[in-house]
Amino acid sequence: AQTVTQSQPEMSVQEAETVTLSCTYDTSESDYYLFWYKQPPSRQMILVIRQEAYKQQNATENRFSVNFQKAAKSFSLKISDSQLGDAAMYFCAYRSGDNAGNMLTFGGGTRLMVKP
Amino acid sequence: DGGITQSPKYLFRKEGQNVTLSCEQNLNHDAMYWYRQDPGQGLRLIYYSQIVNDFQKGDIAEGYSVSREKKESFPLTVTSAQKNPTAFYLCASSPHRGIAYNEQFFGPGTRLTVL
Repeated sequence: AQTVTQSQPEMSVQEAETVTLSCTYDTSESDYYLFWYKQPPSRQMILVIRQEAYKQQNATENRFSVNFQKAAKSFSLKISDSQLGDAAMYFCAYRSGDNAGNMLTFGGGTRLMVKP
Repeated sequence: DGGITQSPKYLFRKEGQNVTLSCEQNLNHDAMYWYRQDPGQGLRLIYYSQIVNDFQKGDIAEGYSVSREKKESFPLTVTSAQKNPTAFYLCASSPHRGIAYNEQFFGPGTRLTVL
């Protein structure tokens, strides 16, 4: 079974600065997908960014980018120019490429605080 | 306005009572999921359904039951057999086709408290 680990329970960043959230995963598969979800205080889960394992290029969505290191099984999220609205729980998730049911395995989450 | 709705937002239950959480989607998604989230923790899969009239147990199905009689609806029943049901419950759905095939879309959640 795959496992996803987020080793930073809490992180703090100054507004306008850059922060990186860590995620590692354990798998024997070569085909899979990785996701970062944001859960603000409203508790609505929002997809931030997605990475397909077969793609070498790191995914980018505006101020959000990932550093995908397949060999190291690492998938970190970088938030540039942090804004107050970025304060939330962030969850890393894994989906197997063979997963017909599209099930996700989530990490334990990182709480990001943004200081004005 | 497409999306996933969950009701109620807050739910209180006495010990020993069954309670049903509603989840409806109008995204025409084939697959639907139920997750449980405990304070400070990630999401754990309770049940999922890939098609109408079919569903599978997830990692923590004991004490829960589901039905999938309609594509749009996937209600979750928390039974009295669930020893520690107080938690936040999230419903999600996912298409089986298209660019968003491997993305799950989430509802706003239901907070269940056992008194």
